[in-house]
Amino acid sequence: NAGVTQTPKFQVLKTGQSMTLQCAQDMNHNSMYWYRQDPGMGLRLIYYSASEGTTDKGEVPNGYNVSRLNKREFSLRLESAAPSQTSVYFCATQASGQFLYGYTFGSGTRLTVV
Amino acid sequence: GEDVEQSLFLSVREGDSSVINCTYTDSSSTYLYWYKQEPGAGLQLLTYIFSNMDMKQDQRLTVLLNKKDKHLSLRIADTQTGDSAIYFCAERLNAGNMLTFGGGTRLMVKP
Repeated sequence: NAGVTQTPKFQVLKTGQSMTLQCAQDMNHNSMYWYRQDPGMGLRLIYYSASEGTTDKGEVPNGYNVSRLNKREFSLRLESAAPSQTSVYFCATQASGQFLYGYTFGSGTRLTVV
Repeated sequence: GEDVEQSLFLSVREGDSSVINCTYTDSSSTYLYWYKQEPGAGLQLLTYIFSNMDMKQDQRLTVLLNKKDKHLSLRIADTQTGDSAIYFCAERLNAGNMLTFGGGTRLMVKP
């Protein structure tokens, strides 16, 4: 029972490189989210997908793109990485209408851009 | 607008009670949550409270909600070193599926 799986767990990029962070869930949840976590700033929403085939911008979308490939997978792409994107990235999921349980989080991807 | 605030840091001695506080600004919150993040891990749901409740108790955890003051607190009784973590409060508004998170409170438990 994997829940929410994020890959990779760690990554170091050079400025200007691109990469895709992967998130996959096996809980049949409709909604998926990408957050970044920075010291003293809590969690900030980058993008979300309320259901398969839809994506919307969150609070800090600049420099990122997303793809909701199917119900299970929601990827986050950095086209040209910048040092300001050094952060810990979390994917989260939620079942529609299951408000008691909040979000289920992955274990995070720690990204350093040098 | 939406804004959830928490103090950054709390230090307690093992065996003492910890109280982590959270304030929010939107009165249309329906559910409020407490999450725990251990080092190097993702966030895990600890407990939640529905907006029509004043208090919820779950073993060592007590959640108090003061809707008039828009204040939420998490009390951990008999705090243990394993409780050292970052604790996030979050609110869900009437509007939909989204949660808004506070900045997190780092709890340090000294032996």
